[in-house]
Amino acid sequence: GEDVEQSLFLSVREGDSSVINCTYTDSSSTYLYWYKQEPGAGLQLLTYIFSNMDMKQDQRLTVLLNKKDKHLSLRIADTQTGDSAIYFCAEGFGNEKLTFGTGTRLTIIP
Amino acid sequence: DGGITQSPKYLFRKEGQNVTLSCEQNLNHDAMYWYRQDPGQGLRLIYYSQIVNDFQKGDIAEGYSVSREKKESFPLTVTSAQKNPTAFYLCASSNPGNEQFFGPGTRLTVL
Repeated sequence: GEDVEQSLFLSVREGDSSVINCTYTDSSSTYLYWYKQEPGAGLQLLTYIFSNMDMKQDQRLTVLLNKKDKHLSLRIADTQTGDSAIYFCAEGFGNEKLTFGTGTRLTIIP
Repeated sequence: DGGITQSPKYLFRKEGQNVTLSCEQNLNHDAMYWYRQDPGQGLRLIYYSQIVNDFQKGDIAEGYSVSREKKESFPLTVTSAQKNPTAFYLCASSNPGNEQFFGPGTRLTVL
């Protein structure tokens, strides 16, 4: 079955770049997503990338996809305290069912 | 305002009791989903429904039941058969080919 893996924790100094990594197993995935979850809240879609793309940039966010290695990353430039959250990657075929990673808790060090 | 609402935000249940979590959306989405979130385990799919009056089991459906009598509503019942029901429950909705939108979640605690 599908499996999506992430590191559980990441600490970054304020102003530095954060890079959150994700690996997945399902090569038929057509969409790969990054969601953000703030404490006690639901998930908010940050960005997504089609599987035929290598990179997508949206303001401070850059998504890189290495389809050969089934590796997805999210880079957050100039990390701020408001970026503290849990970040989930997810893969899907269309959008009928998504498989989520375990989530990476990003902590910002002042 | 369009969105997904879940109620209540916090719910306490005694062992052996059934409890129903509410999920309503006014986004006119066809599909709705229920996930369970436990620390360090990400989100796991309980049930999903792609159309009214139809639903499918997800990865961890045992001990749960759902109904989809209206497009806007997808309530989840946590039955007494669910051995470890304490968790954060998230509801989501989407239209085909588009991203899933999530509600704010319900935290269920079994006393």
